Amino acid sequence: QKEVEQNSGPLSVPEGAIASLNCTYSDRGSQSFFWYRQYSGKSPELIMSIYSNGDKEDGRFTAQLNKASQYVSLLIRDSQPSDSATYLCAVNWGFNKFYFGSGTKLNVKP
Amino acid sequence: DVKVTQSSRYLVKRTGEKVFLECVQDMDHENMFWYRQDPGLGLRLIYFSYDVKMKEKGDIPEGYSVSREKKERFSLILESASTNQTSMYLCASSLLGLRRAEETQYFGPGTRLLVL
Repeated sequence: QKEVEQNSGPLSVPEGAIASLNCTYSDRGSQSFFWYRQYSGKSPELIMSIYSNGDKEDGRFTAQLNKASQYVSLLIRDSQPSDSATYLCAVNWGFNKFYFGSGTKLNVKP
Repeated sequence: DVKVTQSSRYLVKRTGEKVFLECVQDMDHENMFWYRQDPGLGLRLIYFSYDVKMKEKGDIPEGYSVSREKKERFSLILESASTNQTSMYLCASSLLGLRRAEETQYFGPGTRLLVL
């Protein structure tokens, strides 16, 4: 059974702080990892993808991947109230078959 | 921009009814997917299709069937709706994914189905 685990939260951070979201996955053969953001009542939208060990930065977002530990994280710097959403971790096990975590709810307080 | 549309945002059906959910994408994507999303369970794959008339079962196909007669359209069918199929249904599409940059799945707005 392939699993993607996330802490459901809610994770509360003050505006301007760094939010750290974590995800672990069960299959060592996984190659591609994605973070999606989902606002309440809306569909998921892609924030970042990461394929190699290390960090990948895009604006205020940094994705971190550690394949040896089967761990992927998302850091949001200078968090804004508009970042309040549920963040879904997704893992591609091959042939575009994604497995999603249940999501971490982030609340950024003004 | 990729656009994935779903036929209804909200749907109310009665137990035993046959329900059709339709999804259309306008980016010539080979792959299309149907998920359901339930609180605490995340997104679960029901079926996916990698070509016209081709389909593969996902993790929870029981009670559902699909149809892909045209590349741009992927339909999810609930043969006899039951209350435990009340959920948010999300359609997604992606390119074939031979290169990593092509793997990204793009989602439609979702259909919230209530079965009474």
